Amino acid sequence: AQSVTQLDSQVPVFEEAPVELRCNYSSSVSVYLFWYVQYPNQGLQLLLKYLSGSTLVKGINGFEAEFNKSQTSFHLRKPSVHISDTAEYFCAASPGNTGKLIFGQGTTLQVKP
Amino acid sequence: EAGVAQSPRYKIIEKRQSVAFWCNPISGHATLYWYQQILGQGPKLLIQFQNNGVVDDSQLPKDRFSAERLKGVDSTLKIQPAKLEDSAVYLCASSLDGGYYNSPLHFGNGTRLTVT
Repeated sequence: AQSVTQLDSQVPVFEEAPVELRCNYSSSVSVYLFWYVQYPNQGLQLLLKYLSGSTLVKGINGFEAEFNKSQTSFHLRKPSVHISDTAEYFCAASPGNTGKLIFGQGTTLQVKP
Repeated sequence: EAGVAQSPRYKIIEKRQSVAFWCNPISGHATLYWYQQILGQGPKLLIQFQNNGVVDDSQLPKDRFSAERLKGVDSTLKIQPAKLEDSAVYLCASSLDGGYYNSPLHFGNGTRLTVT
């Protein structure tokens, strides 16, 4: 069965510093990968997705992620974070073009002034 | 466009009581999902509808949970009777056609259920 592991439950970082949130997935014949952000008391918002093509994916709010098939990873990065990036981040995978997402446990990004 | 609407936002009930949640997806979205998000965990898919038919309900605890989407538009999720471990946020999501190429999943703000 497909699974998604987010390696860090909390990531504290100072404002304007770079950040990387790590995500590994169990391999599958084909896989679609996503990063979602969840602000307090809100639903999930799509940051970016990898469906096919270029392994470097750019998303909203300056985030990007790189699909690495050999390492089964899909880490999220931002070169300079803002206070407003403080939120919960979820990595998700789908074994096909089915709409059925399997989520990781989430990583809390805490941006400090 | 208007987003996915869910109500109520919060609900507190005692164990063994019943509760129902309502979701109105984005207009024109054929696929609707209910996810359960327990505190400290990622969301878990409970059920997926395509129009008014069930595509996947393999992770729905059918002894106490039920869901319907009778007219292929809005949907209700019911828990009867509730248990303490049902305390969670219940998220509704919709997409145009159930795939990722034409549209992503759009999530509502969720209903936070507390069972005491």
